[in-house]
Amino acid sequence: AQSVTQLDSQVPVFEEAPVELRCNYSSSVSVYLFWYVQYPNQGLQLLLKYLSGSTLVKGINGFEAEFNKSQTSFHLRKPSVHISDTAEYFCAVSGASGGSYIPTFGRGTSLIVHP
Amino acid sequence: GAVVSQHPSRVICKSGTSVKIECRSLDFQATTMFWYRQFPKQSLMLMATSNEGSKATYEQGVEKDKFLINHASLTLSTLTVTSAHPEDSSFYICSARASTGRTEAFFGQGTRLTVV
Repeated sequence: AQSVTQLDSQVPVFEEAPVELRCNYSSSVSVYLFWYVQYPNQGLQLLLKYLSGSTLVKGINGFEAEFNKSQTSFHLRKPSVHISDTAEYFCAVSGASGGSYIPTFGRGTSLIVHP
Repeated sequence: GAVVSQHPSRVICKSGTSVKIECRSLDFQATTMFWYRQFPKQSLMLMATSNEGSKATYEQGVEKDKFLINHASLTLSTLTVTSAHPEDSSFYICSARASTGRTEAFFGQGTRLTVV
């Protein structure tokens, strides 16, 4: 079984400040990790993913995340946020489960960027 | 990235009627499609997984007879909410994957279902 924990349900931050959204996972098998963003009443858009290789992954819109196997974490970071980054962010893990690689999502973190 | 089109984006229906939601992969063949339900301010809850040409696998607690899933082709899956009730009102999202294994799933834009 696999699970994802997003410790912060809401993260308020001022524009141009740095931000980190935390994600921890548990799994008994090798995992692939993802961060998705969801704007109101829309589907999910992939920000970045870790499949293998370099543990520092860069994504769209200036976001990056670092895979830390020993801490089972995959925190999302951005050095300077914009108002337009206000959205819901979901961390997801996908691993071998009967060979189906069904993604499991965290509960989401609401990023609120204030002017 | 690959494009998944979900239709309709919003639908309002009367209690007791059925509603069909379509999920299409536009530029790739989706061997597997997932249907999720999302309640306000909550995460995505996997309802079922469907593979082309075979019956969907439903998650525990999801009524198969109420949420009919058909994956008749490699580019189309449908979710039919039968005899809808107000408690079925929710945001439904589909996602599609090109093959099993180490590929991410691409998401549709979601369907806001309101049952009145």
